[in-house]
Amino acid sequence: AQSVTQLDSQVPVFEEAPVELRCNYSSSVSVYLFWYVQYPNQGLQLLLKYLSGSTLVESINGFEAEFNKSQTSFHLRKPSVHISDTAEYFCAVSDVRSGGSNYKLTFGKGTLLTVNP
Amino acid sequence: DGGITQSPKYLFRKEGQNVTLSCEQNLNHDAMYWYRQDPGQGLRLIYYSQIVNDFQKGDIAEGYSVSREKKESFPLTVTSAQKNPTAFYLCASSMGTGGIGGQFFGPGTRLTVL
Repeated sequence: AQSVTQLDSQVPVFEEAPVELRCNYSSSVSVYLFWYVQYPNQGLQLLLKYLSGSTLVESINGFEAEFNKSQTSFHLRKPSVHISDTAEYFCAVSDVRSGGSNYKLTFGKGTLLTVNP
Repeated sequence: DGGITQSPKYLFRKEGQNVTLSCEQNLNHDAMYWYRQDPGQGLRLIYYSQIVNDFQKGDIAEGYSVSREKKESFPLTVTSAQKNPTAFYLCASSMGTGGIGGQFFGPGTRLTVL
C-alpha cells in the first residue's frame, strides 16, 4: 500500500519570498508522482507530474518539483511567490503496475499556502 | 471546450433523504472517479469505474452508490445510510490508466445535510 505525507498543513509566506512544500511518500513499487492545486471552492488542477526521466519537473507558472528516490520525496518549490499562488496544494502518488491498470491515486492531506502582501 | 461538469454546485438535503450528484465528461475518458473531501483530510476515494457498466468500491464506499451506463456519465447517490454526508464531492476522469496522464477534476459539489 502507498501513503503520502505532506509535512506542513499550512505554510504562510510573504509575497516574492521563496517557498517549499514538502511531500514524502512510501511505496514498495515504482511510482508516478503528482502535484495538484486547489483554489477555494473549486476542483483540483494538475500542476505537474513526474513519470520518468529527468527528476526535476516544472510547471508553466514557475513551480518545480524534484523527485528524490533515495529520500522518497517530491517537494514543490517556487523561487518567488505571488498573492495569486494562495491555494491548497496536494501531493499524490500512483504506483507503476506492469500489465495492468494503475488507476488509483493516493493523496496527501494537503498544504495550505497563504501568500501575504 | 472539453471538461468535466458537476451539478449542482451546492446541494442541501434533509436527513434521511437520498440525493444524486451528477458528473459528466466530454473528454472521451474511459475511467471516472468519485472523491470525498473533508477539511484537513485530503481526498478519499469513494468509487471508481474503468469502463462502462463496471465499477469498484474505493476506500469509503459505505452509504454511497454509483452507476455507469454511459461512458460520459458517472452519477453518485448519497444514501440515507451515509452517516456523515456533509462534505465536498469531487468527480474526476482519466484516459485509461490514470497513473500516466493524471486525473482531471470537475468543479465539485458541496453537499450539506440539514
